[in-house]
Amino acid sequence: GAVVSQHPSRVICKSGTSVKIECRSLDFQATTMFWYRQFPKQSLMLMATSNEGSKATYEQGVEKDKFLINHASLTLSTLTVTSAHPEDSSFYICSARATGLPASPQHFGDGTRLSIL
Amino acid sequence: QKEVEQDPGPLSVPEGAIVSLNCTYSNSAFQYFMWYRQYSRKGPELLMYTYSSGNKEDGRFTAQVDKSSKYISLFIRDSQPSDSATYLCAMIKTGNQFYFGTGTSLTVIP
Repeated sequence: GAVVSQHPSRVICKSGTSVKIECRSLDFQATTMFWYRQFPKQSLMLMATSNEGSKATYEQGVEKDKFLINHASLTLSTLTVTSAHPEDSSFYICSARATGLPASPQHFGDGTRLSIL
Repeated sequence: QKEVEQDPGPLSVPEGAIVSLNCTYSNSAFQYFMWYRQYSRKGPELLMYTYSSGNKEDGRFTAQVDKSSKYISLFIRDSQPSDSATYLCAMIKTGNQFYFGTGTSLTVIP
């Protein structure tokens, strides 16, 4: 149980393109989802916390107009990297926490490797 | 001082060794403790989840929590090359705030 699906797993696109990444909880409902960025050999860096039906909370230094987050249902959150540039190339990972459980752990997707040419 | 401290390693052990991975924390408000395993180019996978002091065992893995010392450990018995990964500790405070360690890189040499 507690499967989180992230799609696509790999994206290569030209500079200036907008890229949408989907995060789905397959067998549980998730009021809260998280978006992380990870550089090679470094730890997870939280970008934003997404709550179903409300605006996402962004961490300091993360541009909300650059990284658009939508959490329209209890099983789906999306991250759109708008007008992506080479410096946005990174590994993006989502996670989800089950609704209704006290102190439930985060369950992670398998990440999206984004390469901007 | 970070709220959660984890030695980044790298840690290299021979196959079959017992591995000990550790994290310390500074705030007694942490009540729930997790260990994740992350293979290269993959998302972290939840290995262990516990909320009380003492030991929890799952196969070759044992999670140990010592709340009085603010110290948690993950032991891996009979380590295998497939255990080579980065191991992250994570903790939840009362109030549901989530904190991760920086991860320890482990290599098990055949």
